[in-house]
Amino acid sequence: AQSVTQLGSHVSVSEGALVLLRCNYSSSVPPYLFWYVQYPNQGLQLLLKYTTGATLVKGINGFEAEFKKSETSFHLTKPSAHMSDAAEYFCAVISIYNNNDMRFGAGTRLTVKP
Amino acid sequence: NAGVTQTPKFRVLKTGQSMTLLCAQDMNHEYMYWYRQDPGMGLRLIHYSVGEGTTAKGEVPDGYNVSRLKKQNFLLGLESAAPSQTSVYFCASSFRVSYNSPLHFGNGTRLTVT
Repeated sequence: AQSVTQLGSHVSVSEGALVLLRCNYSSSVPPYLFWYVQYPNQGLQLLLKYTTGATLVKGINGFEAEFKKSETSFHLTKPSAHMSDAAEYFCAVISIYNNNDMRFGAGTRLTVKP
Repeated sequence: NAGVTQTPKFRVLKTGQSMTLLCAQDMNHEYMYWYRQDPGMGLRLIHYSVGEGTTAKGEVPDGYNVSRLKKQNFLLGLESAAPSQTSVYFCASSFRVSYNSPLHFGNGTRLTVT
């Protein structure tokens, strides 16, 4: 089954700085990829997803991610961090051989400093 | 619109006790999932259901049972709780298979087994 690895369990940025959260997937076949966000004491919400087509995917709240097959990566970025972006972010992959099998990364907690 | 509702929100069990977690969704979704979230491990799929009356095992099904007697409800049971089942449990639902429609999560149930 496919899996994802998120580099860095904690990332801290200053307000207004670039946000970069890293995700690499393991698969020889391009998978379906997702980023979810979890705010404190809440469930996860979908930020964006890549299934097919354009490799640069735009999501909610100004986030975007680029699918790079050559690097097996799907890093999440936002040009300018806002205090409200502080949350935990999860990369996830779903196998095209079992559409119900979604595997999540360990998560990256984003802190935004004023 | 309530979305996905989980009850209870918190529970403390002694080893060997049993309990049932209830998940209810009002979005007429076919697919429902139970995940557990542990620090540093992301979310792991316990069981899922692709429709009323159907259930299937996920990545970590041992020690849990589920039932989907009504389309809107998905129950997760622990017959004999163990400390290793201390976790935060999330229910999710989706309209179609999860690569094609987002997962909608509840706010979680925090379970402690002593």
